[in-house]
Amino acid sequence: QKEVEQNSGPLSVPEGAIASLNCTYSDRGSQSFFWYRQYSGKSPELIMFIYSNGDKEDGRFTAQLNKASQYVSLLIRDSQPSDSATYLCAVSKAGTASKLTFGTGTRLQVTL
Amino acid sequence: EPEVTQTPSHQVTQMGQEVILRCVPISNHLYFYWYRQILGQKVEFLVSFYNNEISEKSEIFDDQFSVERPDGSNFTLKIRSTKLEDSAMYFCASSHRGNQETQYFGPGTRLLVL
Repeated sequence: QKEVEQNSGPLSVPEGAIASLNCTYSDRGSQSFFWYRQYSGKSPELIMFIYSNGDKEDGRFTAQLNKASQYVSLLIRDSQPSDSATYLCAVSKAGTASKLTFGTGTRLQVTL
Repeated sequence: EPEVTQTPSHQVTQMGQEVILRCVPISNHLYFYWYRQILGQKVEFLVSFYNNEISEKSEIFDDQFSVERPDGSNFTLKIRSTKLEDSAMYFCASSHRGNQETQYFGPGTRLLVL
């Protein structure tokens, strides 16, 4: 079983629609959850982090965490062509200098 | 806005040669990391570093790899004898002392081993 699983996509949504990206993780000791955006050939860029069960909103982005189901999601409202990228889910355990464990990412395409 | 910087942006080397990848973390960050991403694959953790010592390393980080903080600003990754399979994008990341798990990534060094 992969530690962090994501559907590789591509996920295609029309401009202005809501994009829903999902991630599951296997280690119940995971305590921190991150969404990064990665454009082709570029480095991961932090979008959001979430530590507690429930929803966390930041502008057009909402992260959702359900620790019982070991499930994290990212919603992007009013999707724009500039949102087209690969979205990486990453998890870490608590502790000093905790490593991030990444999923393979979901490629999002926002169409005009 | 402070950023993690990395040099060089690209490095081409012959198999068996030593390479040093350099990173300047964000100035008030105290936790440092190296990750790599082979083309088309996921980002993989290599090593974390805090208080001038390795905190954790992955199975990828074998004896061919070493890290160092030679001065107050630089953080380096050395690969002693490169192999073809070391070809990848190498990312440095750093995190703030008080928020140690939010890691900010540098732009990366693309390493090609021929």
